[in-house]
Formats: sequence, structure tokens, C-alpha cells
Amino acid sequence: GAVVSQHPSWVICKSGTSVKIECRSLDFQATTMFWYRQFPKQSLMLMATSNEGSKATYEQGVEKDKFLINHASLTLSTLTVTSAHPEDSSFYICSVYSSGEYNEQFFGPGTRLTVL
Amino acid sequence: AQSVTQLDSHVSVSEGTPVLLRCNYSSSYSPSLFWYVQHPNKGLQLLLKYTSAATLVKGINGFEAEFKKSETSFHLTKPSAHMSDAAEYFCVVTPSTGFQKLVFGTGTRLLVSP
Repeated sequence: GAVVSQHPSWVICKSGTSVKIECRSLDFQATTMFWYRQFPKQSLMLMATSNEGSKATYEQGVEKDKFLINHASLTLSTLTVTSAHPEDSSFYICSVYSSGEYNEQFFGPGTRLTVL
Repeated sequence: AQSVTQLDSHVSVSEGTPVLLRCNYSSSYSPSLFWYVQHPNKGLQLLLKYTSAATLVKGINGFEAEFKKSETSFHLTKPSAHMSDAAEYFCVVTPSTGFQKLVFGTGTRLLVSP
């Protein structure tokens, strides 16, 4: 399967600042990546689908102007949390989708964001 | 529409005893079903998946699950729990064909005592 990395693994920032999270597919060219958010002791909620070279598709209730997604290459997608607030503190997880042999998603290790 | 219900938020077992994590699903389409495991502050690891082939699916680390259409269930089992099995487990559903959009259950935390 695909190997997925995320950077940083954790970040602490002040309220009002912006934070960028990178998701890299290390050994697989991913046309589609997903971004999830997981609040403490809760399940994963899909935020958006990121397609290489086109605009991301956001799930209902997710503010696209607040969570900027860029998928400029087949190995990199970024999620920028703009003007972060404490309620944005969460665990953000990306995944890459392989439609071929595996037809499944491979998940990154996640990024823990804490907004003070 | 699709959804999964994990019937237990927490399951506690002793090391060496069987594990049963329950999952029921609802799907308008023929589903694919997955079990993922998440260790603290880690990403998700696929344990096993059902994609309309054999109804009894064997996964990694001795886990297996049985797809029962009549009961709309996909329970996860393991004959003998190990301390390292302590983690959060998610049951996930998606259409078996076409684009994959995963729907996660709320998770079951497995606690394993010595």
C-alpha cells in the first residue's frame, strides 16, 4: 500500500494565526486525497476531498475559506487553517486514495493542532 | 445513504480472552466494510476489509470479521486478546463500487487488562 506522511506531527499556535499542514504520498501518485478531522474521543469526520490540479470539494458545514486546501502535485496536498481559533484544535488526518489494486485509502499519522 | 453503528463505546477484556467488537451497518448500495485500528496519536491502520467476496474475512494480527447481510452486521473478533491490542477501533462503510467516500462509526475503545 501507499505510505503517507504528515508534517508537522503536532503544532501549537496562537489564536488568529494561520497554520499549514502538509500531507505527502511518499511512494504513490495520488490524484485524490482526503482530509479528516477528529475531535478528542470522537470519530473521524471527512472535511474535504482534494483533487490534484482542481478545487477541493468540501463537506457540508466545512468553511472552505477557513480551511484552504491545495493539491498542487500528485504527491502533496496542504491544508491551511486560517485565522485559527481554539475550537479548531483537533487531530487532522489525511489519506490518499488508490483506485487500482487496493481500492482503498491509506492514512497519514495525523497532525495535532492546538490553538491557544 | 450509509451509516455504521458501533454498539459499544468501550469493551474491556483480560489478556488471553476473546474479543468481540460489534458493528451494524446501513447501506443503500452493496457495501464494502472495513475495520481500522488507531493507536494513541497515530494514524489509522487497516485491519481487514470486506468487498463482496468471502463473507468471513481474515485480517492482520489474528483479527477476523464476518459479513452477515441478514443481520446487517460486521462484527470484529479475535480469539485471544493481547496487551498490544488496546486501541480505538473503527468500523467503516463505503459503496463497493465507484468512488470511495468512507463513513466512520463512532469507534470502540478496547481495553486489555493483564
